[in-house]
Amino acid sequence: EAGVAQSPRYKIIEKRQSVAFWCNPISGHATLYWYQQILGQGPKLLIQFQNNGVVDDSQLPKDRFSAERLKGVDSTLKIQPAKLEDSAVYLCASSPDRGFMNTEAFFGQGTRLTVV
Amino acid sequence: AQKVTQAQTEISVVEKEDVTLDCVYETRDTTYYLFWYKQPPSGELVFLIRRNSFDEQNEISGRYSWNFQKSTSSFNFTITASQVVDSAVYFCALSNDYKLSFGAGTTVTVRA
Repeated sequence: EAGVAQSPRYKIIEKRQSVAFWCNPISGHATLYWYQQILGQGPKLLIQFQNNGVVDDSQLPKDRFSAERLKGVDSTLKIQPAKLEDSAVYLCASSPDRGFMNTEAFFGQGTRLTVV
Repeated sequence: AQKVTQAQTEISVVEKEDVTLDCVYETRDTTYYLFWYKQPPSGELVFLIRRNSFDEQNEISGRYSWNFQKSTSSFNFTITASQVVDSAVYFCALSNDYKLSFGAGTTVTVRA
């Protein structure tokens, strides 16, 4: 079974530029998550989709971050304009259901963003 | 609100030593789930274990064991006879069913 795919693996941009990350979850997984992991910290949830609807985006900086999951499959996370503090690893994860009663979240390898 | 605290930032051991990682959590929910994930240098978070709040039995899987104590809100993880391949960052996480929150992680370095 293929895992969660993310691209690109690495990205370096200048501040105020725009950037987009792509995620393809495990086939059939209804729930998709985007996490931000700043160096030395644990992952922090940015947004959670159930199929193509948003169920939690309370920690997404909506003035600069946006995400979509068209057709309930793959997803794109965008930052526009980027700030230095956005330098982090952006992790995508998916799970079969919304809850964790019987399952866990499966993570991709992440996209490491450096803003200079 | 839910919170996970991993007080140990870094642990360094010599191969074959045992290492215990502490995890303390806070939640108001009576039903919740606890997890441990491993993050090797490649960056991908690898699932290790899930435990629900009604199951306090300790668990052993090979060289890994977990001790869940609701009375102290702790879910500690022990690696027995550590190996160099165990070097990674280990995260404890808590879910109230649909939201997964992580601790800051503990970096484990196993020296040959």
